[in-house]
Amino acid sequence: QKEVEQNSGPLSVPEGAIASLNCTYSDRGSQSFFWYRQYSGKSPELIMFIYSNGDKEDGRFTAQLNKASQYVSLLIRDSQPSDSATYLCAVPTSGTYKYIFGTGTRLKVLA
Amino acid sequence: DAGVIQSPRHEVTEMGQEVTLRCKPISGHNSLFWYRQTMMRGLELLIYFNNNVPIDDSGMPEDRFSAKMPNASFSTLKIQPSEPRDSAVYFCASNPFGDSPQETQYFGPGTRLLVL
Repeated sequence: QKEVEQNSGPLSVPEGAIASLNCTYSDRGSQSFFWYRQYSGKSPELIMFIYSNGDKEDGRFTAQLNKASQYVSLLIRDSQPSDSATYLCAVPTSGTYKYIFGTGTRLKVLA
Repeated sequence: DAGVIQSPRHEVTEMGQEVTLRCKPISGHNSLFWYRQTMMRGLELLIYFNNNVPIDDSGMPEDRFSAKMPNASFSTLKIQPSEPRDSAVYFCASNPFGDSPQETQYFGPGTRLLVL
């Protein structure tokens, strides 16, 4: 069974700080990695995706991928209370459309 | 442009009753996915369709669950008979082409199902 692991949290950070969310995966053949944000009672929405080793930046968000170590992380700079949500890591099983989602990390940004 | 549409948004039913959840994917999207989300198990893929054809239903829990996609703009997920352990949020998602696992999936608002 392919797995995607995340720390469930909650991860509490003060407003303006950097929030660091981590995800490890077991399928070495995975090629793409997605971060979704889910507010309480709402559906997941895509934040970022990354395919290549290294960093990918989009506004206040940076995704980092290390395929050798099989982890992907999401950094949120200048965290805002509106960033408080659960962040889901999703990894398509290699060669299929079957996304394996982590159970998510709950982030709390304290004003 | 309308996103993925799901109905009903909330459903409360009694054990043993049939439940039908409905989904309309984004127009032009070729792939459709049904997920179930619970606190204990997180977000799990139940089944996905590509060009209206079921490709992988290995996540369907048991024979009580069935899914259909009679055309490109409509899909149903049926539970018969329903049980309390089926209580969860059921999401439908779609993506544009379905020819690459790297594509973004767009989620509907979900149906909150409570089986008493």
